Amino acid sequence: DAKTTQPNSMESNEEEPVHLPCNHSTISGTDYIHWYRQLPSQGPEYVIHGLTSNVNNRMASLAIAEDRKSSTLILHRATLRDAAVYYCIQLSQGAQKLVFGQGTRLTINP
Amino acid sequence: DSGVTQTPKHLITATGQRVTLRCSPRSGDLSVYWYQQSLDQGLQFLIQYYNGEERAKGNILERFSAQQFPDLHSELNLSSLELGDSALYFCASSVSNRGGRETQYFGPGTRLLVL
Repeated sequence: DAKTTQPNSMESNEEEPVHLPCNHSTISGTDYIHWYRQLPSQGPEYVIHGLTSNVNNRMASLAIAEDRKSSTLILHRATLRDAAVYYCIQLSQGAQKLVFGQGTRLTINP
Repeated sequence: DSGVTQTPKHLITATGQRVTLRCSPRSGDLSVYWYQQSLDQGLQFLIQYYNGEERAKGNILERFSAQQFPDLHSELNLSSLELGDSALYFCASSVSNRGGRETQYFGPGTRLLVL
């Protein structure tokens, strides 16, 4: 299973941007990068995914390095509700299962 | 609300018993996935069904089985339960079977406690 590397925890302040890094050095040309998050006492929630170019949606932005060996999830203006465990997942085109690592536990200070 | 529903929300049972967890996918989704989340193992993929057929298998124990019915709902059966089976069980669904290109939508989970 493809393995990604993320910091165990990060902390930020409310209304400030947050940059969550992820390393995926074994990524192949057709592997997607997915981000999910899990809020306390809830199921995982899709955040964003991308292949090569940067992606934006209403929740976040995903910046993918040119060599694709790393990416950064950007929350533009964190709220208390963004406190969660964020998982970066490398997923090949044909793969069906999401392989969750330990993720990054994000704490947002008021 | 993801649109994926799971019942029951909580389940308490004894060792050796058998339980059935139920999942209804989002309207129109053909794939259903089951995941287990325990404190020591984290979130782990168990099994996937696509349009009634098993498509992928993870570290699912032989005591566990699943199926997807013609109306696309799925059931996960856990038998000969052990204390270590206590965990959160999540169901997820996706539109089809396209792997990396697709988003999986997770349900709220069933919390199983085996005493």
